[in-house]
Amino acid sequence: QTVVTQEPSFSVSPGGTVTLTCGLSSGSVSTTYYPSWYQLTPGQAPRTLIYSTNTRSSGVPDRFSGSILGNKAALTITGAQADDESDYYCVLYMGSGNWVFGGGTKLTVL
Amino acid sequence: QVQLVQSGAEVKKPGASVKVSCKASGYTFISYGISWVRQAPGQGLEWMGWISVFNDNTNYAQKLQGRVTMTTDTSTSTAYMELRSLRSDDTAVYFCARTTVNDLRGDFDYWGQGTLVTVSS
Repeated sequence: QTVVTQEPSFSVSPGGTVTLTCGLSSGSVSTTYYPSWYQLTPGQAPRTLIYSTNTRSSGVPDRFSGSILGNKAALTITGAQADDESDYYCVLYMGSGNWVFGGGTKLTVL
Repeated sequence: QVQLVQSGAEVKKPGASVKVSCKASGYTFISYGISWVRQAPGQGLEWMGWISVFNDNTNYAQKLQGRVTMTTDTSTSTAYMELRSLRSDDTAVYFCARTTVNDLRGDFDYWGQGTLVTVSS
């Protein structure tokens, strides 16, 4: 059973920078997993932020960026704003029409 | 613009079935797949399965195998997700998502608004 790991929670100050990560219980995350990132705010549909590791979805500000850091995928938010306070999920494509979500990171901006 | 509009909230008894629809517009329906994702109360997002609109290939999450069926109707650009033998832990908001799978990507780019399914006796 593939487990995708994320920090359960993270805190950042307004204007600060935070990096959330997305790993595998066994093995390394690489670009071949096409890591993508989604923002989920209560009562709303998920918002696609990043796909294919580092491509921003249409309309997403450039303070959101994706990368591979070491053996994990990463989402960096630069200049955090109050309305960035949300849950963030990464997803890895395992091939053959199979995806696995991470457990999500609850980001607090304070 | 791309839109996915889902059917309304449902209340079902344990053991019953539910069928949620997702009507697509603003793009060529057969050029993308549709995935279904759910979020139970207080829980994270869970991928349920995917259907290729082009050839009706499907892949379901192992834990739902045998209880879920995903279909599409290309004449109305609508995708459907049916879940059978409902249990209380199937209570969740269900989302459809346009899905791109090719040599460069494997992700969800547009989402429906969500459908709350409540399973309660």
